[in-house]
Order: sequence, then C-alpha cells, then structure tokens
Amino acid sequence: DVQLVESGGGLVQPGGSLRLSCVASGFPFSAYWMHWVRQAPGRGLMWVSRISTDGSTTTYADSVRGRFTISRDNARNTVYLQMNSLRAEDTAVYYCGRDLWSAADYWGRGTLVTASS
Amino acid sequence: QSALTQPASVSGSPGQSITISCTGTSSDVGNYNRVSWYQQHPGKAPKLMIYNVSNRPSGVSTRFSGSKSGNSASLTISALQAEDEADYYCSSYTSSSTVVFGGGTKLTVL
Repeated sequence: DVQLVESGGGLVQPGGSLRLSCVASGFPFSAYWMHWVRQAPGRGLMWVSRISTDGSTTTYADSVRGRFTISRDNARNTVYLQMNSLRAEDTAVYYCGRDLWSAADYWGRGTLVTASS
Repeated sequence: QSALTQPASVSGSPGQSITISCTGTSSDVGNYNRVSWYQQHPGKAPKLMIYNVSNRPSGVSTRFSGSKSGNSASLTISALQAEDEADYYCSSYTSSSTVVFGGGTKLTVL
C-alpha cells in the first residue's frame, strides 16, 4: 500500500526555521513528482511546492518562494521542506502528496507547524 | 496566484444531484486540462476524487463526475448520500508551472 508519513512539525518562533520530512513507501518513489500542500487552522488548502523526480525542477507558491526549499533523497524515499524566516501566517498542517498530472493522488496525515512567540 | 473561485456552500437532499463550480482564468483552468477535485472530511487528509477534469481514480464512486467549459470547471455528485457531506476543493495547474486551489465548498446533505 502507498504510504506517506510526514514529520518535523512543531512550535517555532517567528523568524525561525524548521525542516519537514515525508517518508514514502509502497511505490517507486523516484518515479514520481511530489507536492507539499498546507492548511491553516479552519482554512482551505494552499499549494506550497512541487519537485520533479530527480529534484532538478522545483516550483513554489509566491508566498513562500525565497523562504522555503523543497528537496528529495531518492535513496531514502524522502522529500523535504526546509522552511526559513517563518511567519505567523505559515502556521498550518503541512501535507505531502504524490503527484498525478499536477494533482495529488495520495496524501499523508500531515504535520502541524505553529509559528508563534 | 489568485485562488480559484468556488461557492462557499451548497446543499442537497439524499438522492438528489448537486454541482459545485470552480472558476479560474485563461492562465489556469481555461488553458489546461489539469483540473482536479478533492473531498475532505473534518480532521482528515484530502482525498482525490477527480483529476484531469473528468478522470476518476480507482475506487472513487461513479456518482462523482467532472467537466470543464472555458475558464470554469464543475464537480457533479449524483444520488447524494449522507457520507458525501464534506468540504470540496478544486485545483488547477497554472501557466507559472504552479498549482492553485479553490477556496473550498462546504457540502451539506439535508
């Protein structure tokens, strides 16, 4: 079965950094693009970033470009999201998802990031 | 990257059909057949219901269907059931090689 498990969330002060991880299993990880999507408390979904199979192509939402970096380690079946200069408005549950024609066909359960003093 | 426009809420009775609209621009919905729809129950991760405008992933009920015309896409749920009550989100690929979501629609089954 396809599984995606996110980790690395937590409480961080505004201006701080966190690195999220998403470990994949049950499918050939290196053959799939991957997404990060977030959801602020009580709000809708917001796409964050996407990475190509070999990591050479990355794209970002305007609100995180320059602060967040997506990467992957195909040997470890893991996709990462490095988040720097965190703001209160970055507080959200962060989900990773497997790409299917720019959609996400499998999702993890998410990890909560709280940027607050 | 403006969000796609969805109605905040829709409702229907069991057995009825409902349609949720998703309006974008010529830079996203209107120019790409990469529109998808997600269902999300409270406290759960989203579930993909439709991709590439009208394709259903394996295991998704045939009661769910999608379509597109111009800059707008639609999700139709037929023979509404109580378990369909959830939030629904559309998304689209964009000309900036990004993805944009709609604001979400809360479906209430009366």
